[in-house]
Amino acid sequence: DAMVIQNPRYQVTQFGKPVTLSCSQTLNHNVMYWYQQKSSQAPKLLFHYYDKDFNNEADTPDNFQSRRPNTSFCFLDIRSPGLGDAAMYLCATSSQLETQYFGPGTRLLVL
Amino acid sequence: GQSLEQPSEVTAVEGAIVQINCTYQTSGFYGLSWYQQHDGGAPTFLSYNGLDGLEETGRFSSFLSRSDSYGYLLLQELQMKDSASYFCAVYSGNTPLVFGKGTRLSVIA
Repeated sequence: DAMVIQNPRYQVTQFGKPVTLSCSQTLNHNVMYWYQQKSSQAPKLLFHYYDKDFNNEADTPDNFQSRRPNTSFCFLDIRSPGLGDAAMYLCATSSQLETQYFGPGTRLLVL
Repeated sequence: GQSLEQPSEVTAVEGAIVQINCTYQTSGFYGLSWYQQHDGGAPTFLSYNGLDGLEETGRFSSFLSRSDSYGYLLLQELQMKDSASYFCAVYSGNTPLVFGKGTRLSVIA
């Protein structure tokens, strides 16, 4: 089945220790997104790619970086995680922009 | 800018009908989407309205009125498994969806 896959599902890291979250898709969608979602809040868009074109939201902290080496894969790098970065990180894809397909998410815990 | 308003919480009885409203302010409006998210899960796409009127998919329907900048999600024959958060999201063309803050629906027996 075509899908959006996120690994790992749960990630524990230490304060200040770099961490990378990964996302892959078998949908062959040209657009990929990374969202941060905290408890009882809406998903907050961090950045997105139209193919290789990177688009950063204005309020995304510099601590967050992303890479998309090919159509199928996208990575979220958090250079120096703080306690406030503990959240669910959601990857999504779309081919038609009005519909997004989300992965199961990676829950990040910062100790 | 863009903004969406939806109720933060709604409670309804199993078997009943519930309507979750969404009003929006945006430029370049194309359509309104709805997503469902269970606790600990990812958002899943429910519906998209690009035109005025009602779209029906099984027990769920979604409505849009462009002139009123208003839409709603209607859930019929409520089941306990429908307890979740529901997000409306505005699509404005060549920009990503803008999500509302979500409505937490609790279905009680």
